Amino acid sequence: QQQVKQSPQSLIVQKGGISIINCAYENTAFDYFPWYQQFPGKGPALLIAIRPDVSEKKEGRFTISFNKSAKQFSLHIMDSQPGDSATYFCAASQKGNAGNMLTFGGGTRLMVKP
Amino acid sequence: DGGITQSPKYLFRKEGQNVTLSCEQNLNHDAMYWYRQDPGQGLRLIYYSQIVNDFQKGDIAEGYSVSREKKESFPLTVTSAQKNPTAFYLCATRSVDNEKLFFGSGTQLSVL
Repeated sequence: QQQVKQSPQSLIVQKGGISIINCAYENTAFDYFPWYQQFPGKGPALLIAIRPDVSEKKEGRFTISFNKSAKQFSLHIMDSQPGDSATYFCAASQKGNAGNMLTFGGGTRLMVKP
Repeated sequence: DGGITQSPKYLFRKEGQNVTLSCEQNLNHDAMYWYRQDPGQGLRLIYYSQIVNDFQKGDIAEGYSVSREKKESFPLTVTSAQKNPTAFYLCATRSVDNEKLFFGSGTQLSVL
């Protein structure tokens, strides 16, 4: 079974700090790596995504760093805010494989303390 | 939630009972998915459908059934064979030319 391993399971950060969540994958055929954000009682929503032809993508305070040789990618949240407190999921998919089906990591519960 | 409606928001199942979770979308997306989420765990795929009248098992299909008679609708039935049904169930959709998944707001299923 294709796997995406995510760490840490939970993370506590002070307001204004940097939150870092890491993911590792096994399947070198994966070519799309999104991050989803989920608030309690809600469905996940796409936050940011990257393809393996670039090593970094930034959108506002959110940055994905991608290391193809290490088969790892990470989410950095700069100037973390209490409103960022949520569960974050990394995922990966291979274009054309079973309907571009996403394989999700186990999730990271982030708490940003005021 | 971008045009995906899941109902009900909360559902209670008695032992031996089948229950059906509704998922309706007006995004005109071809692909639809059902995921199960347990506390502190990731999303596990139950079933998916890429086109009307066709669906495929995901990683944890045992004890579940689906149908896809209309493009807009992809109901999930949790059967009595599913011995541990308590979880948060998420429906998602995707257009064929886009890898982005759109999720509904979920149904929390609990056992009485």
